[in-house]
Amino acid sequence: EPEVTQTPSHQVTQMGQEVILHCVPISNHLYFYWYRQILGQKVEFLVSFYNNEISEKSEIFDDQFSVERPDGSNFTLKIRSTKLEDSAMYFCASTFGTGVNEQFFGPGTRLTVL
Amino acid sequence: DQQVKQNSPSLSVQEGRISILNCDYTNSMFDYFLWYKKYPAEGPTFLISISSIKDKNEDGRFTVFLNKSAKHLSLHIVPSQPGDSAVYFCAASAGTYKYIFGTGTRLKVLA
Repeated sequence: EPEVTQTPSHQVTQMGQEVILHCVPISNHLYFYWYRQILGQKVEFLVSFYNNEISEKSEIFDDQFSVERPDGSNFTLKIRSTKLEDSAMYFCASTFGTGVNEQFFGPGTRLTVL
Repeated sequence: DQQVKQNSPSLSVQEGRISILNCDYTNSMFDYFLWYKKYPAEGPTFLISISSIKDKNEDGRFTVFLNKSAKHLSLHIVPSQPGDSAVYFCAASAGTYKYIFGTGTRLKVLA
């Protein structure tokens, strides 16, 4: 069964450093998303991406964040200068179709900012 | 901004009995609702969804009920199995791809 994959599973970085989180969405999916979950809290929407551009973003997704689809398979989330409060699980998701339907989530990357 | 609320952080149910997980929302623009299950160290897995034009959707052991006037939805699992033990999130969308998640309910099914 096709699945969303994410690498690395755990990323440790120093405050102020840049990190790039990698995702490979399901191959025929057209819409891509990033969410995060701070430990013990709810899953929060960050950004949605379609047709090589951001279609929607939350207030969390400020200038420190960017997304890119550098080739036909990868979808990345970059945090330019990490802060302690960026420590969280980051989930990538994808979906196919023009209507609202279920998003398929990857296993997540745990980001720890020291 | 708690547009989607799951007021019970945890629930314990005996195997074979019914599990009922509840979710309330405040935004009347939400028109699509989903339930996700999440195991530790894994991403959320889609379970079942319902559009606002329906009041019930059933898939095997899982049934979701939607009460639009009360802005309330619930997930029923019958019969509950130990493998159902996980955190359950409800999520809502207002016609866009942005899902708003609740805080989750941890279900423990006791053997």
